[in-house]
Amino acid sequence: GAVVSQHPSWVICKSGTSVKIECRSLDFQATTMFWYRQFPKQSLMLMATSNEGSKATYEQGVEKDKFLINHASLTLSTLTVTSAHPEDSSFYICSARDRREAPNQPQHFGDGTRLSIL
Amino acid sequence: RKEVEQDPGPFNVPEGATVAFNCTYSNSASQSFFWYRQDCRKEPKLLMSVYSSGNEDGRFTAQLNRASQYISLLIRDSKLSDSATYLCAVIQNTGGFKTIFGAGTRLFVKA
Repeated sequence: GAVVSQHPSWVICKSGTSVKIECRSLDFQATTMFWYRQFPKQSLMLMATSNEGSKATYEQGVEKDKFLINHASLTLSTLTVTSAHPEDSSFYICSARDRREAPNQPQHFGDGTRLSIL
Repeated sequence: RKEVEQDPGPFNVPEGATVAFNCTYSNSASQSFFWYRQDCRKEPKLLMSVYSSGNEDGRFTAQLNRASQYISLLIRDSKLSDSATYLCAVIQNTGGFKTIFGAGTRLFVKA
């Protein structure tokens, strides 16, 4: 149980393109999902908290107009990297909290999206 | 100061060795504590939760010291397959419950 699917797993595109990444909870409902970014040999950095039916909460230093988050249902959150540039190339990982579980329980992670901007 | 700090390593150990990783966290209000394993170019996978009473799962033992804000992971009888990056993580309630990760400690187990 507690499967989180992330799509696509790998994206290569030209500079200036907007890229949408999907995060789906397959067998549970998630009122809250999280988006992380990981550069090589660095930690997972929390970018934003995605709340179903409301606006996302962004961490300090993360541009909300650059990284658009939509969480329109209890099983789907999307991250759109708008006008992506080479410096946006990174490993993007989502996680989801099962609404039945206490918030201090470990989240369930997707398998990540590797984004490469040429 | 980083919220969760770990020695990045790498730790290079022979098979069968015992290796210990340490982690410190700065927010005393942190509520839950975990060790994750991350293989190259993969998502992190939960290895174990960490409790003050200490907990063991096979060759892995985790310990939490709340007073010192310190978390540890001990791996006994290292296997080649243990080679990975080990991430320390805490859940904080700072405007919502969030998981904050350390930068990870790289382990290489060699034959």
